[in-house]
Amino acid sequence: DAKTTQPPSMDCAEGRAANLPCNHSTISGNEYVYWYRQIHSQGPQYIIHGLKNNETNEMASLIITEDRKSSTLILPHATLRDTAVYYCIVRSYNNNDMRFGAGTRLTVKP
Amino acid sequence: DAGVIQSPRHEVTEMGQEVTLRCKPISGHDYLFWYRQTMMRGLELLIYFNNNVPIDDSGMPEDRFSAKMPNASFSTLKIQPSEPRDSAVYFCASSFLGTSPYNEQFFGPGTRLTVL
Repeated sequence: DAKTTQPPSMDCAEGRAANLPCNHSTISGNEYVYWYRQIHSQGPQYIIHGLKNNETNEMASLIITEDRKSSTLILPHATLRDTAVYYCIVRSYNNNDMRFGAGTRLTVKP
Repeated sequence: DAGVIQSPRHEVTEMGQEVTLRCKPISGHDYLFWYRQTMMRGLELLIYFNNNVPIDDSGMPEDRFSAKMPNASFSTLKIQPSEPRDSAVYFCASSFLGTSPYNEQFFGPGTRLTVL
């Protein structure tokens, strides 16, 4: 699977949008971009995934560049409960070997 | 659904002792995963099963680790003998490939293992 690069940490003000970038320049055509988050002391939680189109669900939006070499996870109105480590993972749909990197530690501040 | 259930939530043991971690996946899921998380190495996939059959155990650190899935609703991860470097949080996760477009993994709350 392709590797991903994420900033180690980011801050965001409560109520503002949090934009978390991810680079995956070696992604292949059949690989999806998945986002998970891990709130302190809990198991990782699925957020969203996409192939090439932008995606939105009740938790977040995922913007994937046209060349698919990078993506951005958007939390539209961050709350204190969104403070967590966010992982960007690329893998093919039926490949269950998920490689979690170091992720981005997002801190939402009041 | 209660989600993925793991027990115990915390385990403290002494070096050399046998440790057994347990997992009950979400009903109907056909994949089960065991992960280990440490500060140094992050979250690592140890082994995963499909329909109770081990598919990839390349992440199992050494022969002291073994995992079984005797049926669709139960799995164990055993460490024998345990060593201090095995101290970590162990997560179990399950998923259903099927026709779901998501194929997301649902994680349990984890077992925090401390080996003294």
